[in-house]
Amino acid sequence: QKEVEQNSGPLSVPEGAIASLNCTYSDRVSQSFFWYRQYSGKSPELIMSIYSNGDKEDGRFTAQLNKASQYVSLLIRDSQPSDSATYLCAVNNYGQNFVFGPGTRLSVLP
Amino acid sequence: DVKVTQSSRYLVKRTGEKVFLECVQDMDHENMFWYRQDPGLGLRLIYFSYDVKMKEKGDIPEGYSVSREKKERFSLILESASTNQTSMYLCASSSSKGENIQYFGAGTRLSVL
Repeated sequence: QKEVEQNSGPLSVPEGAIASLNCTYSDRVSQSFFWYRQYSGKSPELIMSIYSNGDKEDGRFTAQLNKASQYVSLLIRDSQPSDSATYLCAVNNYGQNFVFGPGTRLSVLP
Repeated sequence: DVKVTQSSRYLVKRTGEKVFLECVQDMDHENMFWYRQDPGLGLRLIYFSYDVKMKEKGDIPEGYSVSREKKERFSLILESASTNQTSMYLCASSSSKGENIQYFGAGTRLSVL
C-alpha cells in the first residue's frame, strides 16, 4: 500500500514566522510531488509542484524534496492569518493517480 | 484558467435514492477523478477515467459507479444511497501531457438521510 504521511496538526505559528510542513512517502519510485492548500469547506488548490531534488521557491513558499530520504516539505515565510488552512501533500508515481496525505492543519496566530 | 464545475454544492437525498453527481471540465483534459473526503480520512479515490468510456476503480468503489460518455463530463452514480455515503465529493481533472496537475471542482456536500 503506497502511503503518504503528514502530521495532522494543528500546527500553530505566530504571524510573520516561518511555517514548516512535512510529508514522507513510502514508494521509492514516486516522481512528482504537490502541495495543495484547502480552506475549510472549500476544495484543494495547488500551491507548488516539485519534481527534482532540492528547493523550489515561489514567492513566500518554498518546496523542498529529498528523494533519498523520501521526504518533501513546504516552508511558508512571513506567515499570514490568511495562510491558515489544511495543507495536503500529494505524490504521483508513474501514471495519472495521486496518493494524498491526510493533511496538516496550519493556524497562523495574529 | 482551468475550470472544473460540479453541478451541485449541496445535495440532500433519502436512503435508497439513486443519486447523480455531475462534473464538467473545460480544458480538454484526458483524465478525470472522483474522490470523497471525510474528516480524519483524507481524500480517497473512488473512480477515475483516462479517456472517454474508460473507467478504473479507485480505492473505495463499492456502492458507486461512473459514466464518461463525453470527454468533458464525468458522472458519479450512487445506485442506492446509504447514510454512510454522506460526505464531501470532489471531482478533479488533469492532462496526460505536461505537469499532470490535478485541478479540483468546488465539491458537492451530499447528505443522505
